Amino acid sequence: DQQVKQNSPSLSVQEGRISILNCDYTNSMFDYFLWYKKYPAEGPTFLISISSIKDKNEDGRFTVFLNKSAKHLSLHIVPSQPGDSAVYFCAASGARTGANNLFFGTGTRLTVIP
Amino acid sequence: DSGVTQTPKHLITATGQRVTLRCSPRSGDLSVYWYQQSLDQGLQFLIQYYNGEERAKGNILERFSAQQFPDLHSELNLSSLELGDSALYFCASSLGTVPYEQYFGPGTRLTVT
Repeated sequence: DQQVKQNSPSLSVQEGRISILNCDYTNSMFDYFLWYKKYPAEGPTFLISISSIKDKNEDGRFTVFLNKSAKHLSLHIVPSQPGDSAVYFCAASGARTGANNLFFGTGTRLTVIP
Repeated sequence: DSGVTQTPKHLITATGQRVTLRCSPRSGDLSVYWYQQSLDQGLQFLIQYYNGEERAKGNILERFSAQQFPDLHSELNLSSLELGDSALYFCASSLGTVPYEQYFGPGTRLTVT
């Protein structure tokens, strides 16, 4: 049962434009959401997170938006750069669920075209 | 560099064999998590240890086991290996028990032939 879903396996964007990566979740008990970036042959790297008490969190070129009613979050990258080309994983956590782990989506491969 | 180290980077072995993957967490982190990533799949949580004690179990097979030692490094033991066990195995660490930001190692790629 995939509780965190990333329905777009891949996304291509021109350099300088906005990249929008989407993520849906099914468990309303999740209260913390994270985005990780992964380059080939490396482990995932933490990028940005958001608590369920917020609807937006910004860090430089990266902004995460959370829509709790729709159980949807998105990662915006503006402007996109070729170095942003990687696989992006959405993850969710919920101490209230009693689970002590992160639930990951299957990832979206972002390609930024110079 | 996340500060989490994993050895070996690559492992090739035959079906039926047993292997041990090793992980050293970031300095100061007490929790270690193990994840499996099969081809085109997300990361599947296997097991968590906190300060030497098992804290949470995910989709870990009975053929797999793990432990965390007093120096906080952890080992994941995979036995009676099958072709389907071929995957990337990641270790992650965090300071406390609540799995907010976790820091991942580079992974061990296991190939079972």
